[in-house]
Amino acid sequence: QSALTQPRSVSESPGQSVAISCTGTSSDVGAYDYVSWYQQHPGKAPKVMIYDVTKRPSGVPDRFSGSKSGNTASLTISGLQAEDEADYYCCSWAGNSLAFGGGTKLTVL
Amino acid sequence: EVQLVESGGGLVQPGGSLRLSCAASGFTFSPFRMHWVRQAPGRGLVWVSLISGDGKTTNYADSVKGRFTISRDNAKNTVFLQMNSLGAEDTAVYYCARDQNGLGYWGQGTLVTVSS
Repeated sequence: QSALTQPRSVSESPGQSVAISCTGTSSDVGAYDYVSWYQQHPGKAPKVMIYDVTKRPSGVPDRFSGSKSGNTASLTISGLQAEDEADYYCCSWAGNSLAFGGGTKLTVL
Repeated sequence: EVQLVESGGGLVQPGGSLRLSCAASGFTFSPFRMHWVRQAPGRGLVWVSLISGDGKTTNYADSVKGRFTISRDNAKNTVFLQMNSLGAEDTAVYYCARDQNGLGYWGQGTLVTVSS
């Protein structure tokens, strides 16, 4: 059970776009189309932003999008806003278990 | 409204035990697989355990296997996490989460502190 690999931090200016990568293996990200992304603000519970690689729950802005190629998934946030500043975690089904990434701190400059 | 409310956290000595509960409301509980996820202070999310809707399938992270036991009572809409042989490395906020559309709903978490 290995953690997925994410960059520790990314930063970008308001209105710009940013992509956060999530690299796993052929046993998790590469094996299943069950990658999800979570946003977590300090002191709060995580909130799902993307599930099943590309799907957005109702209420999540369409500025958030997901994709996957091989063993790497990505979360793209376009039109960055101040409230997007948070920690982001990827998560993949890994065959009767889940694997999380280490988290990426997004700073909106 | 879907709600998940964890309880049972607190301060426990190394080697001790705690039983966490997660009470669900606002939805039909039994069909859903449930997870426990923990977050050590200042650290990332780590998956701990899952249980199928009927309770027949469970699994655990290697770090807790043999020490933690997940269970559920569908009549009481509650999932449990029995934690034994606790060590400092188990200090974390423990969240329960419902498995649908990713982990679509999370509780607010309960803090477990292992310290003498």
